[in-house]
Amino acid sequence: EAQVTQNPRYLITVTGKKLTVTCSQNMNHEYMSWYRQDPGLGLRQIYYSMNVEVTDKGDVPEGYKVSRKEKRNFPLILESPSPNQTSLYFCASSPQGREETQYFGPGTRLLVL
Amino acid sequence: RKEVEQDPGPFNVPEGATVAFNCTYSNSASQSFFWYRQDCRKEPKLLMSVYSSGNEDGRFTAQLNRASQYISLLIRDSKLSDSATYLCVVNLPNFNKFYFGSGTKLNVKP
Repeated sequence: EAQVTQNPRYLITVTGKKLTVTCSQNMNHEYMSWYRQDPGLGLRQIYYSMNVEVTDKGDVPEGYKVSRKEKRNFPLILESPSPNQTSLYFCASSPQGREETQYFGPGTRLLVL
Repeated sequence: RKEVEQDPGPFNVPEGATVAFNCTYSNSASQSFFWYRQDCRKEPKLLMSVYSSGNEDGRFTAQLNRASQYISLLIRDSKLSDSATYLCVVNLPNFNKFYFGSGTKLNVKP
């Protein structure tokens, strides 16, 4: 089944404790992206990647890191989480970005205390 | 100014009604446009792409007005199952970035 998976789905952590949210797609898509969704603000793009070893900042990259060592995986890293990073996070992929449909993972709910 | 703006609603309509949503975008270089549907904080799913000539998929019609920089979504004969939040999305291809509106909530009542 073609899909985007994220882990964990739910996470409660404390300020400053490094964490990684994994994202994997099995559709051989070149484009992958991370978003956060907050009430009243909609989805905002954090980082995106056009292909392996090619990543770029979205609109809200501060406090986040990503890597794209393999085509199928695009982990999101919070080196030192803070309460303002409490949010719902979505990973998405598409064949080549741009004009094409994005397929979203199920989301990761993160609470930073 | 936000890149994409939508009326948050909610739009409360009876079954069978026709409802229309508009979405405005600020960057005239935007080239690709989409409507996504999102159920109750689940992942967004593509409803339809929006083409310059307008397009229709069953009860759903999407239109693009480049001169006024807005896109619209028309839902005819609303069903209870249409209740969701509808997200407007635009793409800036030169930057490979996507901008989402904050969504319009639709409640279809029996």
